Amino acid sequence: DIVLTQSPATLSLSPGERATLSCRASQSVSSYLAWYQQKPGQAPRLLIYDASNRATGIPARFSGSGSGTDFTLTISSLEPEDFALYYCQQRRNWPWTFGQGTMVESK
Amino acid sequence: EVQLVESGGGLVQPGGSLRLSCAGSGFTFSSYAMNWVRQAPGKGLEWVSSVSGSGSSIYYADSVKGRFTISRDNSKNTLFLQMNSLRAEDTAVYYCTKGAAVAGTVDLWGQGTLVTVSS
Repeated sequence: DIVLTQSPATLSLSPGERATLSCRASQSVSSYLAWYQQKPGQAPRLLIYDASNRATGIPARFSGSGSGTDFTLTISSLEPEDFALYYCQQRRNWPWTFGQGTMVESK
Repeated sequence: EVQLVESGGGLVQPGGSLRLSCAGSGFTFSSYAMNWVRQAPGKGLEWVSSVSGSGSSIYYADSVKGRFTISRDNSKNTLFLQMNSLRAEDTAVYYCTKGAAVAGTVDLWGQGTLVTVSS
């Protein structure tokens, strides 16, 4: 199975700051990587698919980059509603797998 | 409104069975792969099973293979997960999810239904 390792585990930032989240795959997943956001008590929401494509309705402050084994989710300027848990997920090989998550918390 | 509504969760004893259902609405159900993704309490996400739009292609995580069966009834816009031989480690919120236009990506999640396996 492809293992996705996210770093850091927790990111403590203030509103308006830039957030940079990393996802590293144990083998190449090409560009077949998605990012999801999950808030407490809610289901996840798709943010980015295929490494760099924003899902419908996702604000432009969210961007994704990378290919192969190294990927980044960037939130250019944190809004209060962006403090949440973020997961990456690969669809290169079954079983599709998720990273363990990065929590973006308010400093 | 595009939505997924799960039902069927609850408390079951180890070794027991449970059947989850998920009703989809607001989209052409038969055109999309559907999936079950679970989340154990306080833990991360695990992809459990997927079925293609026609039902002809099915995938299972190794952790549930041979115990869980995914199926769909496109005439009723409903997805199912039959769970047998349940174990404590199957305790989780089970999300019904809709596949996006790109296979293996989820663009719609249900609210989740909690399955608790305990004696």
